[in-house]
Amino acid sequence: QKEVEQDPGPLSVPEGAIVSLNCTYSNSAFQYFMWYRQYSRKGPELLMYTYSSGNKEDGRFTAQVDKSSKYISLFIRDSQPSDSATYLCAINAGGTSYGKLTFGQGTILTVHP
Amino acid sequence: AAGVIQSPRHLIKEKRETATLKCYPIPRHDTVYWYQQGPGQDPQFLISFYEKMQSDKGSIPDRFSAQQFSDYHSELNMSSLELGDSALYFCASSLSPGGTNEQFFGPGTRLTVL
Repeated sequence: QKEVEQDPGPLSVPEGAIVSLNCTYSNSAFQYFMWYRQYSRKGPELLMYTYSSGNKEDGRFTAQVDKSSKYISLFIRDSQPSDSATYLCAINAGGTSYGKLTFGQGTILTVHP
Repeated sequence: AAGVIQSPRHLIKEKRETATLKCYPIPRHDTVYWYQQGPGQDPQFLISFYEKMQSDKGSIPDRFSAQQFSDYHSELNMSSLELGDSALYFCASSLSPGGTNEQFFGPGTRLTVL
């Protein structure tokens, strides 16, 4: 079993929809949680970063962390065709782990006009 | 804003050849990470360096080696290339390792082994 599980989708939604992307993790030592967006054949782009339970909002994006359930989510409001990409959750144990990121499998999202 | 630079962007090699990938981190970032992403796969951590010293090691084959230089750029050296080494290789950089490090990725080097 992977340390970080993410539903690979694919997920297809109409423009303007609210998108919910989720990951679960097994290692309670994980402390820092990130969401990356990756367009085809491009490098992952950091979208959101959080390290505590609760919500963090940035424009149309909201990251949610529930450490008690080991569950993280990314919500995209008013989704746009330009949001079509693969979304990767990434988790870091922090401390002496020296920053190694463990990724989920990625969810392929398509937003159609 | 300056981003992580990787070169070359594309590389084609034959089996058993060697390859060298280069990474130039964001200015003032002192930590570099290397990841390998196979087709349809998530990035897998290979190795990282902090202040020119290896700081962590993941699933990196013994045929691969890497180092970070005094100007903080890093090179990933790959020898005896195999077909299975064909992948996207990403470099990421951050300001200090561990803790609240936000890693910023480069555009990647696409390696094809024939």
